[in-house]
Amino acid sequence: GDSVTQMEGPVTLSEEAFLTINCTYTATGYPSLFWYVQYPGEGLQLLLKATKADDKGSNKGFEATYRKETTSFHLEKGSVQVSDSAVYFCALRRAGSYQLTFGKGTKLSVIP
Amino acid sequence: EAGVAQSPRYKIIEKRQSVAFWCNPISGHATLYWYQQILGQGPKLLIQFQNNGVVDDSQLPKDRFSAERLKGVDSTLKIQPAKLEDSAVYLCASSSPAGGNEQFFGPGTRLTVL
Repeated sequence: GDSVTQMEGPVTLSEEAFLTINCTYTATGYPSLFWYVQYPGEGLQLLLKATKADDKGSNKGFEATYRKETTSFHLEKGSVQVSDSAVYFCALRRAGSYQLTFGKGTKLSVIP
Repeated sequence: EAGVAQSPRYKIIEKRQSVAFWCNPISGHATLYWYQQILGQGPKLLIQFQNNGVVDDSQLPKDRFSAERLKGVDSTLKIQPAKLEDSAVYLCASSSPAGGNEQFFGPGTRLTVL
C-alpha cells in the first residue's frame, strides 16, 4: 500500500539556520504530494503541494520539489524563524482519490 | 469564512465508557473526513463521507466506532466502549471540488482514556 517516510525528529535549529526535512514515498502511479504544518494547539494547515514530477511547491519561504526518480519531496527553508516551530507532516494523495496518507511528522523547534 | 469546528476540544473518560465528538465542516463542503492521530504518528483516515453517504470506512473499527452525517452537514463520531488504545486526537476535515479538494482541518478533539 501507499506509505510516506519522513525523517524523525525532533529537530532543533537556531534562528536563521537552513532547514531540510526529508520525505520519501511509496505509491503506485503518480500521486500528488503535500506538506502540512501543525502549530501548537491548532489543526493541520496545508503548507505547500506539488501535483506532478519536477513541480516545485512553495509558500512562506518553504519549498519542496517533486522528484519522481528518487520518490522524494524534501522540505527546505533557507532561514528559519522562531515562528516556524511546529510539527511538519509529509503526505500523498493517490491520483483519483481524495484520501491522504501521512508520514509520522517531524517536530521542529527553532530557538532564538 | 469560518473554518472547520469541532467540539469538545478535550475529553477524559474511563475505559468502557462511551464518548461522542462533533464536527461542523466549512459551509458548502460536501466531503467530510474523520482522522485518528495517535501521539507520535500521522493522522489515519477513519471514515470519509460524501454528503450523507459513506465513501470509505475501511479503517474504522466498526465493533466500537460509529459515525453519521445525517443531513449532509454536521457529523458525529462515537466510540462505545472506549479502550485505552483509543487515546488520540480525533481530527475532522472537509473539502470541496471548488477548492481543488484541498482538505481543511479542524483543531481536533484530544481524547484520553484512563
